Formats: sequence, C-alpha cells, structure tokens
Amino acid sequence: GEDVEQSLFLSVREGDSSVINCTYTDSSSTYLYWYKQEPGAGLQLLTYIFSNMDMKQDQRLTVLLNKKDKHLSLRIADTQTGDSAIYFCAETPYNFNKFYFGSGTKLNVKP
Amino acid sequence: EPEVTQTPSHQVTQMGQEVILRCVPISNHLYFYWYRQILGQKVEFLVSFYNNEISEKSEIFDDQFSVERPDGSNFTLKIRSTKLEDSAMYFCASIDAGGSSYEQYFGPGTRLTVT
Repeated sequence: GEDVEQSLFLSVREGDSSVINCTYTDSSSTYLYWYKQEPGAGLQLLTYIFSNMDMKQDQRLTVLLNKKDKHLSLRIADTQTGDSAIYFCAETPYNFNKFYFGSGTKLNVKP
Repeated sequence: EPEVTQTPSHQVTQMGQEVILRCVPISNHLYFYWYRQILGQKVEFLVSFYNNEISEKSEIFDDQFSVERPDGSNFTLKIRSTKLEDSAMYFCASIDAGGSSYEQYFGPGTRLTVT
C-alpha cells in the first residue's frame, strides 16, 4: 500500500512561521489533504490540493507540492498558540477509494 | 454549514457484544468512509462506500465488520463480536466528489470502549 510519512514533532515560537512536511509514495494522480486535530477532538479539514498543482494559499496557510520528490508541505504564517495541535497529511488516488494518513506532526507553539 | 454527525459519542460494551455505530453524512455527498484511531496513534482507513456498495476495505475490516446505508441518510458500522483491541475512536467521513468539491469532512467520532 501507499506510505505517507511525517516528522513527529515541531516546536515554534508564537508569531513565527511553521512548516510541516509530508512525503508520499503514490506515483499516479492523487489528492493530498491537510487536517488539524486538537486534543480529544475530531479531524478538521484545513485544505487540499490536487497533484497537478504546485501551490495553494488560503489565508495563513500555504501548501507547496513538489511532485517530482513527492513532498508536500504546510506552512502556517504568524503561528498562534491556538495552532497547537496534531497535523495530519493524507493522500487519496483520483477514485477516492482509500485514504492513506501520515502519523501526524505534533505542533507546539510557545508563547 | 453542513456537517457529518455521529452517534453515540461514547459507547461502552462488553467483549463479544455487537455494536452499531451510526453516522449521518452530508446530504449531497457520494462517498462515505469509516476510520478508526487508537488512542495516540494515526488515523487508519477501514472502508469506503460508494453507490450503495463497498469500494475498498482495509485488512483491518475483517468479517467482524460490516457497513450499511439502510436509508438515504444513515451510514452504519457494525462490529459483530467486539474484542478488547477494537477500543478506539471511530470516525465517519464523506466527500462530494461529484462536482468541483473534493473536501472530505469528518464527524466528531464515537469513542468505543470494550471491557
């Protein structure tokens, strides 16, 4: 099956930018998603990108996709303490039959 | 804003008992999913459902599991004979994917505790 990898932890100071990275293995057309999970809560969709795009921006969030290296990143500008959470990237092929999730990156924002 | 709902929020059951977890996906969505998340671990895909049948299932989704869409709104996950290791959060999700939106929304989850 497909493999989605993320680093486990990231710590930043409030006001700095955070960059959370993800790598995936699927070589065909795919959709890639970012989710946020706060303690004891469900998964909140942040954004998604199709693999024929290089970048997508939505307010403080910027997604960059390097399709050649199968590398996806989520940049959070002006990180706030409320951004502290676990961030999951996920991949699905074009037919949406199955989603593959990474292990999640725990973002800690220090005041 | 439309949302995916799940009931109950917490289910406690004894080993060997059957449980049914219920979900109401977003009404115009076409693809439905069940996932589980063991405490502190990653989200694991269980099964996808499209056009009234299973599209794909993972190796976790063995004969103890089944899914149904009994009417136009509900989507259920049944575990026939629960084991201790079935204790986890179970999330339902849905996607439109029929138009220009491919946003997958998750429900709040059902915490299943098997004793």
